[in-house]
Amino acid sequence: GAGVSQSPSNKVTEKGKDVELRCDPISGHTALYWYRQRLGQGLEFLIYFQGNSAPDKSGLPSDRFSAERTGESVSTLTIQRTQQEDSAVYLCASSALTGNYGYTFGSGTRLTVV
Amino acid sequence: GQNIDQPTEMTATEGAIVQINCTYQTSGFNGLFWYQQHAGEAPTFLSYNVLDGLEEKGRFSSFLSRSKGYSYLLLKELQMKDSASYLCAVSKAAGNKLTFGGGTRVLVKP
Repeated sequence: GAGVSQSPSNKVTEKGKDVELRCDPISGHTALYWYRQRLGQGLEFLIYFQGNSAPDKSGLPSDRFSAERTGESVSTLTIQRTQQEDSAVYLCASSALTGNYGYTFGSGTRLTVV
Repeated sequence: GQNIDQPTEMTATEGAIVQINCTYQTSGFNGLFWYQQHAGEAPTFLSYNVLDGLEEKGRFSSFLSRSKGYSYLLLKELQMKDSASYLCAVSKAAGNKLTFGGGTRVLVKP
């Protein structure tokens, strides 16, 4: 597609429920990244996928968080047993790994745990 | 690890110039990025520096000194629409994850 697409744009869930967030990267972009942004704060790295290499999961805050990506296509970020501290905007970005223009970000999913 | 520091907030007047500083300490370096983020929106790419010196792009310029671990973003002829957060980020390797600073919120007043 023309840009990075994320869904849903907003999600309100009850504490303890599982949620799944989706990211559709720009076609041909081999690298995909998930970040979390709490209100008024900077971006916190979660996980990075590059082609068929093992993902860099070093930013995942707990084992309640997991992510998958099939090939160079869609990725899903799953949060199990959500907690109020998980409330944030979850941003996905993709990169072609060529040139030096950083990433293209999606508009994010605003997650609210009540 | 990586540590990136930038001021939390700055205020400037329409038509003026503002300089946002960013200092970093990293175990590897492949470039420094600046992003602009309006409230409720995704970050958008502004500039990239990998060599020392100044990169100019219209009203926006970015400077890098690798030996000092220092960068700044210069915004000239400020407009009201420049009110946003400005994020400094460092990459350790090409295509690798970016580590972001906390962002600097710039408020442009009439």
